[in-house]
Amino acid sequence: QKEVEQNSGPLSVPEGAIASLNCTYSDRGSQSFFWYRQYSGKSPELIMSIYSNGDKEDGRFTAQLNKASQYVSLLIRDSQPSDSATYLCAARGSGTYKYIFGTGTRLKVLA
Amino acid sequence: DAGITQSPRYKITETGRQVTLMCHQTWSHSYMFWYRQDLGHGLRLIYYSAAADITDKGEVPDGYVVSRSKTENFPLTLESATRSQTSVYFCASSPGLAGGEDEQYFGPGTRLTVT
Repeated sequence: QKEVEQNSGPLSVPEGAIASLNCTYSDRGSQSFFWYRQYSGKSPELIMSIYSNGDKEDGRFTAQLNKASQYVSLLIRDSQPSDSATYLCAARGSGTYKYIFGTGTRLKVLA
Repeated sequence: DAGITQSPRYKITETGRQVTLMCHQTWSHSYMFWYRQDLGHGLRLIYYSAAADITDKGEVPDGYVVSRSKTENFPLTLESATRSQTSVYFCASSPGLAGGEDEQYFGPGTRLTVT
């Protein structure tokens, strides 16, 4: 069974700090990785995708991918209370359009 | 630009009834997906479709039927609802790599309760 693993949290960080969210995946052939934010009672909202090893930055968000270690992370700089949500990591399986989602990490940003 | 919509947003039905959840997207995305989300399990893929008349099973397809006669619609039918199918159902779509990207975009969800 191909899996994506995340720590369920909650991860609590003070306002203005950097939040670091982590994810590991089991399918070594996966090529596409995604981070979604999901507020309680709402649908997942795409934050960013990453396909190559290294960092990808978009505003306050930086995604990091290390295929050798099968590890994906999301850094949120200058965390705001409005960032409090569950963050879902997903990977698209190799040779398929089946996406595997982690169970999510709950982030709490304390004002 | 409506994007991706789902209906109904909330549904209560009885065990054994047939229920159809609708999904409609206006982006002409090739790929469409149905997920269910339950506490402790996260998002699990039920079925997906690569194009009209092309569908394939996901992780948890039992008890569900899908069809895709038009690119923009992807209905999900529970043939005989069971209490274990109480969940939040999300539809998603993606242009696919042929369309330039494989990011998925989600609809607002349908909260289904089977009594």
